[in-house]
Amino acid sequence: QQQVKQSPQSLIVQKGGISIINCAYENTAFDYFPWYQQFPGKGPALLIAIRPDVSEKKEGRFTISFNKSAKQFSLHIMDSQPGDSATYFCAASKGQNFVFGPGTRLSVLP
Amino acid sequence: EAQVTQNPRYLITVTGKKLTVTCSQNMNHEYMSWYRQDPGLGLRQIYYSMNVEVTDKGDVPEGYKVSRKEKRNFPLILESPSPNQTSLYFCASSFGRGMTEAFFGQGTRLTVV
Repeated sequence: QQQVKQSPQSLIVQKGGISIINCAYENTAFDYFPWYQQFPGKGPALLIAIRPDVSEKKEGRFTISFNKSAKQFSLHIMDSQPGDSATYFCAASKGQNFVFGPGTRLSVLP
Repeated sequence: EAQVTQNPRYLITVTGKKLTVTCSQNMNHEYMSWYRQDPGLGLRQIYYSMNVEVTDKGDVPEGYKVSRKEKRNFPLILESPSPNQTSLYFCASSFGRGMTEAFFGQGTRLTVV
């Protein structure tokens, strides 16, 4: 019940394309769903986050879509750029107990 | 500059030799936590602390100890390290409950031989 599944494991996208990463959770008690971006040698950094009472949140080129009934949420990166190449983690939390997905390594080709 | 500082960044040690990884934050955050990151498993929470003298187990607490004697510091202690604790460790802090950003340190790469 604590697991957060994430797919794909790796993703290659051409510059200007759309990158889509999907996550699914089981514990309906989770009430906060952030996405983190991690560059090599760095700690994860918050990219965007959503509450379950909202179906979509957009910040610049990054959009979270949230489907509460299906217990799924996804990250869409529009107009993907080489600088977006990083590992992306979805997470779900209740209070300060965070559960992370295994990560998606995104490569955006120039 | 707001930051979470971990030390050391890299550490190689032998099985059974006690070690401490320090974590300090300068943002007056109430919440601090430790994670380990392993390939294919993402980040797994080891321990977290909601305030001074208040700590709780995360998903993988076995073999680790923590303490929170001061608000800014949250050291991770391995009393008797074993090779299966070889990993990349991250400390994080956040201001409070709800949709608050967790700031991560730069990481500590630990190798236990």
